[in-house]
Amino acid sequence: GESVGLHLPTLSVQEGDNSIINCAYSNSASDYFIWYKQESGKGPQFIIDIRSNMDKRQGQRVTVLLNKTVKHLSLQIAATQPGDSAVYFCAENHIGADGLTFGKGTHLIIQP
Amino acid sequence: DTEVTQTPKHLVMGMTNKKSLKCEQHMGHRAMYWYKQKAKKPPELMFVYSYEKLSINESVPSRFSPECPNSSLLNLHLHALQPEDSALYLCASSQESGANSPLHFGNGTRLTVT
Repeated sequence: GESVGLHLPTLSVQEGDNSIINCAYSNSASDYFIWYKQESGKGPQFIIDIRSNMDKRQGQRVTVLLNKTVKHLSLQIAATQPGDSAVYFCAENHIGADGLTFGKGTHLIIQP
Repeated sequence: DTEVTQTPKHLVMGMTNKKSLKCEQHMGHRAMYWYKQKAKKPPELMFVYSYEKLSINESVPSRFSPECPNSSLLNLHLHALQPEDSALYLCASSQESGANSPLHFGNGTRLTVT
């Protein structure tokens, strides 16, 4: 089976609200995690990453939280804007792997 | 705009055709990747090149043939494809393979096999 996955295929939020996108993984050897944003007709765009020796990392308007105990990763987007509408993928890497493994993706829809 | 450039953006080919997808990066990255993405699905790893040597081939059919002429270029040669091979083909690069660094993706080639 897949080593990463997401809980919800679609998430609808009001413009200005905070968004939380979740991801679960199953591989205890996963040691690096990335969130990507993919807009229609484009390739995945890097948002933020986190290594397994951290549990929180903040960027501009985004925060990634990592809970290794329950193998859970989340992406928080503050003050969601129309331009945040996209599919969001979590991806993981682990020791010995040469490429990222992607989760299923969550489509974030922004309501005015 | 991305720093990984893929051409062509769109490609339509018949099952008997031979075509090539091209990818270029000038970030000095030493690892390059091909991913395949079907509609509404996540990208799936096909090939990894590390220092211009093929290091990963994820059981991809031989009708897909990768080539890395130099550290900046990556090609994917296509021959005798099937309609189910229609997908978005994404190229990516990273500083090194196996290291904890992000992959940078191009915008892909949208391939349709008729």
